[in-house]
Amino acid sequence: QEKVQQSPESLIVPEGAMVSLNCSFSDSASQSIWWYQQHPGKGPKALISIFSNGNKKEGRLTVYLNRASLHVSLHIKDSQPSDSAVYLCAVSKDNNNAPRFGAGTKLSVKP
Amino acid sequence: EAAVTQSPRNKVAVTGGKVTLSCNQTNNHNNMYWYRQDTGHGLRLIHYSYGAGSTEKGDIPDGYKASRPSQENFSLILELATPSQTSVYFCASGDAGNQDTQYFGPGTRLLVL
Repeated sequence: QEKVQQSPESLIVPEGAMVSLNCSFSDSASQSIWWYQQHPGKGPKALISIFSNGNKKEGRLTVYLNRASLHVSLHIKDSQPSDSAVYLCAVSKDNNNAPRFGAGTKLSVKP
Repeated sequence: EAAVTQSPRNKVAVTGGKVTLSCNQTNNHNNMYWYRQDTGHGLRLIHYSYGAGSTEKGDIPDGYKASRPSQENFSLILELATPSQTSVYFCASGDAGNQDTQYFGPGTRLLVL
């Protein structure tokens, strides 16, 4: 089964900082990668996804996928206190394989 | 926006008792999932379904059963609850037309005494 590992476990940054979150996965056949955001007491919410090698930018978010190294990263520009949450990486082979999640990175953005 | 609801939101059960967690989605998604979330483990997949009448085992199915009687409803059943099943349970529906992006419910907090 797919193994998904995230780093760091937690991160504290000042408001306005650039945040970088990492995710590595085990199966080179994995097709789809998502980043989810989870606030305390809530269910995860999809933020951004990537399916092709390279990068994808949406607003303050940029995700980089390197299939050769089985690594994906999420970068948050100009971080805000409202970005404080747990960020989860999810990976799956295709629509017929349920996504597997990493343990998450807890981000705290201090005003 | 896609809507997934779960009931109950909180549940206290006794060891050996039967617990049923319910999930309803109004997105008309074929795929539905049950995960549990514990500190340090992220979301772990228990059971999932590709449509009414189908259920599949996930990574940690022992002690759990699932039922998908309709497109909208997906239940997780603990026939003999144990304290190790104390956790937060999340249901999700998956949009196969959008690379299976998942829409999560608010979660059920289960405490087994």
